[in-house]
Amino acid sequence: QVQLQQSGPGLVKPSETLSLTCAISGDSVSSNSAAWNWIRQSPSRGLEWLGRTYYRSKWYNDYAVSVKSRITINPDTSKNQFSLQLDSVTPEDTAVYYCATRFTDYWGQGTLVTVSS
Amino acid sequence: DIVMTQTPLSLSITPGQPASISCKSTQSLLYSDGRTYLYWSLQKPGQPPQLLIYEVSNRFSGVPDRFSGSGSGTEFTLKISRVEAEDVGVYYCMQSIQVPLTFGQGTRLEIK
Repeated sequence: QVQLQQSGPGLVKPSETLSLTCAISGDSVSSNSAAWNWIRQSPSRGLEWLGRTYYRSKWYNDYAVSVKSRITINPDTSKNQFSLQLDSVTPEDTAVYYCATRFTDYWGQGTLVTVSS
Repeated sequence: DIVMTQTPLSLSITPGQPASISCKSTQSLLYSDGRTYLYWSLQKPGQPPQLLIYEVSNRFSGVPDRFSGSGSGTEFTLKISRVEAEDVGVYYCMQSIQVPLTFGQGTRLEIK
């Protein structure tokens, strides 16, 4: 069974960078059949997929168009984890952020990130 | 993007009675590998969504057999044969045939 443990700050100032990490146990971030997603949830947008990283002989990323200019998802093979970076945040980025496996069979516990000065 | 539309948006069910939720997609979720990438999850208050059904009709590990999924192409249904108090929450359908992954708006189930 896969477990995902999220970490990162719950408060970010406007224009700064949101950074979260998702540590994986029970699978490998480098697995050739896995993919690792970041998803957020807010009352106004519902569940919104942000992007993913996956390994198929080399690393690939896919990002949602809505955040493509501001988002970076990186794997960290040495720690078996992956991270989310969202630049230039605004109050609109306030949401609960989740990491999840390829088919959303497992989720992290969620992190409420508030963008406020 | 594939749009997922759920109906109804809310349900109020007496314990022991059945419940049914519909999900329609704007494109077929049948992939060339023969698999249909439609999933159902339940989100209980204060928790992340938990997978119930994968690939239309397969119950995920530990999911009670009162939950069942059916459908094909662009039309899908989640059924609960006999609703129990622990089934309250918001049900979501999701497609993963292409990125971006997209979710339905959610159907809130409450107990009468």
